[in-house]
Amino acid sequence: KAGVTQTPRYLIKTRGQQVTLSCSPISGHRSVSWYQQTPGQGLQFLFEYFSETQRNKGNFPGRFSGRQFSNSRSEMNVSTLELGDSALYLCASNLSGGEIDPGGPLNTEAFFGQGTRLTVV
Amino acid sequence: GDSVTQMEGPVTLSEEAFLTINCTYTATGYPSLFWYVQYPGEGLQLLLKATKADDKGSNKGFEATYRKETTSFHLEKGSVQVSDSAVYFCALENNAGNMLTFGGGTRLMVKP
Repeated sequence: KAGVTQTPRYLIKTRGQQVTLSCSPISGHRSVSWYQQTPGQGLQFLFEYFSETQRNKGNFPGRFSGRQFSNSRSEMNVSTLELGDSALYLCASNLSGGEIDPGGPLNTEAFFGQGTRLTVV
Repeated sequence: GDSVTQMEGPVTLSEEAFLTINCTYTATGYPSLFWYVQYPGEGLQLLLKATKADDKGSNKGFEATYRKETTSFHLEKGSVQVSDSAVYFCALENNAGNMLTFGGGTRLMVKP
């Protein structure tokens, strides 16, 4: 079956502009998470959506936002772009909502897309 | 908060050498632990995982054991190949929200 699809793969934007990135999870997966990867900060969690609701949010400014649609596809938006927003943005989908099964392990395995490489000039 | 520390790279080995990449974590409770691999130009792929103490995850010749007493999850492989050259990330998940905390990554370079 198809994997996680992120579009576009590459993007160049100018400071001050805004950008929208898209992520289509694996069919049947209801959870979508977003991560930012930079050489300096590594992989950092942005936010996670499950059934159209944001459940977790990382430590990023309000310029970073996201949403999830009823078909589980997700978008993230960055407004007023800064040079430091240049990064690889990765999306991950999970089958479950990560609910804890009493007495059992966390039921979660993240499948990642290839990422969107954003360059801000 | 939760954190993951892994050895800095790059790690350069000759083909068929033994590999160890150290990973230690700080977390409350009982997190699940993961190793992900990232090939050039690609996203992350799950390599192996362990969900409770003393579990051993294994895949493609790689192994890691969840050691709660030392809060470690070191990655090992007995004989590396050139095709194993990639960046390896140790990660943990400690809540029900599919939020992974990653280490800084270790670049592995295997020479023929």
